[in-house]
Order: sequence, then C-alpha cells, then structure tokens
Amino acid sequence: DAGVIQSPRHEVTEMGQEVTLRCKPISGHDYLFWYRQTMMRGLELLIYFNNNVPIDDSGMPEDRFSAKMPNASFSTLKIQPSEPRDSAVYFCASSSRGTVYNEQFFGPGTRLTVL
Amino acid sequence: AQSVSQHNHHVILSEAASLELGCNYSYGGTVNLFWYVQYPGQHLQLLLKYFSGDPLVKGIKGFEAEFIKSKFSFNLRKPSVQWSDTAEYFCAVKGVSGNTPLVFGKGTRLSVIA
Repeated sequence: DAGVIQSPRHEVTEMGQEVTLRCKPISGHDYLFWYRQTMMRGLELLIYFNNNVPIDDSGMPEDRFSAKMPNASFSTLKIQPSEPRDSAVYFCASSSRGTVYNEQFFGPGTRLTVL
Repeated sequence: AQSVSQHNHHVILSEAASLELGCNYSYGGTVNLFWYVQYPGQHLQLLLKYFSGDPLVKGIKGFEAEFIKSKFSFNLRKPSVQWSDTAEYFCAVKGVSGNTPLVFGKGTRLSVIA
C-alpha cells in the first residue's frame, strides 16, 4: 500500500490566491483527518470525515477554509483567499474504525507558504 | 472534552542519557493512547500504542511507555538515547466510545547532542 498521499508537497503562493491541497487516504479507511502544524500552535485538527461526511469542522479557523470529500479516495482542503498567516504544514491522515487501535496514518504533508 | 498536556517543550540530552517525556491527559472514559514521532522534515509516524492489558508498552527503537491510570499519564521512556532520536514527539489520546477524534499534545522537541 502506498500510504496516505498528499499533493502538492510544497506550495508557494501570493496573498489573496486560492490554494487547494489534495489527499488520497489509504484504501479501505473510512476516516480522514486534516491537520495544520505551525511552530506557534503545534498540531491542530481542522476537520475530519467519516464515510465521506464531515463530522467535526470546529477546528477550521474561518470561512476562508473549506474541505470536501467527494468520494472515499479523495479529499481537498481549500483556502480562499489565502493569507500569510495560513503558512504552515498541512497533514492529512486516515484511519479505519475496523482497526482496534484506531491508529491514524499520516501523509507526508504539504508545506504551504503564503507571501 | 479530551485534552493532552506534554510538560516539556524542548528537551536537550547528551547521547547515552536516559529519556523520559511526560504526557498527561484528561478524559472521563476508557482511552487508547499513542506516541508519535516526527523526524526533521518528515511526517508523523507511530512509535507505540496502548489499548489494553500490560500498562508497560514496548515500541520501536527501544522506546517504551507506561500507562498509569490513576495519574492519567502515559510517559515515554528510553534508557539510552542516540543522536538519531532527535525529533519531535507527540502524545495522543483517543476516547474509545463514540466518534471522538484523536487529540494530540503540543509536542516535545528532543535534541540529542554528541
């Protein structure tokens, strides 16, 4: 299995531009999580899905952020318009409720820089 | 709501020194407990996990953690650290019941110097 796949790995954009981050979870996993990691705030859960349905989006910082999961093998996190304070590493993770330990498997992350 | 507290923000040790990283959580029910490691420039990887049974859990690379239920703690230990253990370590807790997500601590950065 290829693991959780994220793209792009690095994104540099200018303030005001739209940014779309992509994630492909591990096949068969029914939970998908989006996290943001910064030096100041550590690792923050933004939103998570179960069976493609958003369960908890209370971690989404503001309306500029949106996430979708149109099918079991693909999710996007969109920032529109982007701001310099959105610069961070964004991780996607997936897990299976069928796994007793509920372990989450993380992708390599997307390093976003907003100028 | 669940919360996880990691006491140390940055720990600096010499090679061969012993390591203990603190982790305390708050949750009213049964929990699963995890330690993840993030090496420089890499993504988070599972180091070890506790679900039930023996409260002393052995993980990869010589790490272990002990679940002390009465103290709501899950401290990470290693008897002798190596330079390659330089990384950030995250404790995480998940309530067993319901749809509770995994909650991470803010992480402890470990720097091992020669």
